[in-house]
Amino acid sequence: QVQLQESGPGLVKPSETLSLTCAVSGYSISSGYYWGWIRQPPGKGLELIGNIYHSGSTYYNPSLKSRVTISVDTSKNQFSLKLTSVTAADTAVYYCARLQDGHYLHWGQGTLVTVSS
Amino acid sequence: QSVLTQPPSVSGAPGQRVTISCTGTRSNIGAGSDVHWYQQLPGTAPKVLIYGNSNRPSGVPDRFSGSKSGTSASLAITGLQAEDEADYYCQSFDSSLNAYVVFGGGTKLTVL
Repeated sequence: QVQLQESGPGLVKPSETLSLTCAVSGYSISSGYYWGWIRQPPGKGLELIGNIYHSGSTYYNPSLKSRVTISVDTSKNQFSLKLTSVTAADTAVYYCARLQDGHYLHWGQGTLVTVSS
Repeated sequence: QSVLTQPPSVSGAPGQRVTISCTGTRSNIGAGSDVHWYQQLPGTAPKVLIYGNSNRPSGVPDRFSGSKSGTSASLAITGLQAEDEADYYCQSFDSSLNAYVVFGGGTKLTVL
């Protein structure tokens, strides 16, 4: 059974870099599929941050592209998110998920990241 | 402003049928991109309810159904139950400006 688990700091200061990792179990990332980061500000809807293929090719949401880096570490079976120059608007629950047949079938439980000094 | 448009809220009494619309454009749903639906219960991650316009993953009751026509899609829920009260999101792909995965703004279903 595929499982994803997000980890990282729950509090980040404004202007700093948000860093999260998604550990995958039950499936080897190197075997395929796109892996994505999606966020949800409190009380609001879902927003794609970006996706990464096991080979390392990426797609980023154009509105976040200048601040986002998604990378994959197949040796640790995990992928990571870095979002630079964060503001309060980046406060959200961050989910990692697996994209297959055009939809996200497997999701992590999500982790709340608050941007505040 | 979400690329896909959903009504902010819908409601219905137990046992009734409700529908949630998802309106797109010629660059996403109208271009033939599949529509997928997610249910998000409070405090939990979204869960796929319908994929590929009208397919249900195993374990999803047949009370939930999806359809697509032109630049819109719909999620129908029959025999409404209290546990259906949740947020529902549609998702598709968009080809304009290299956009990719796009979500609707979400619809809050209230069971009266």
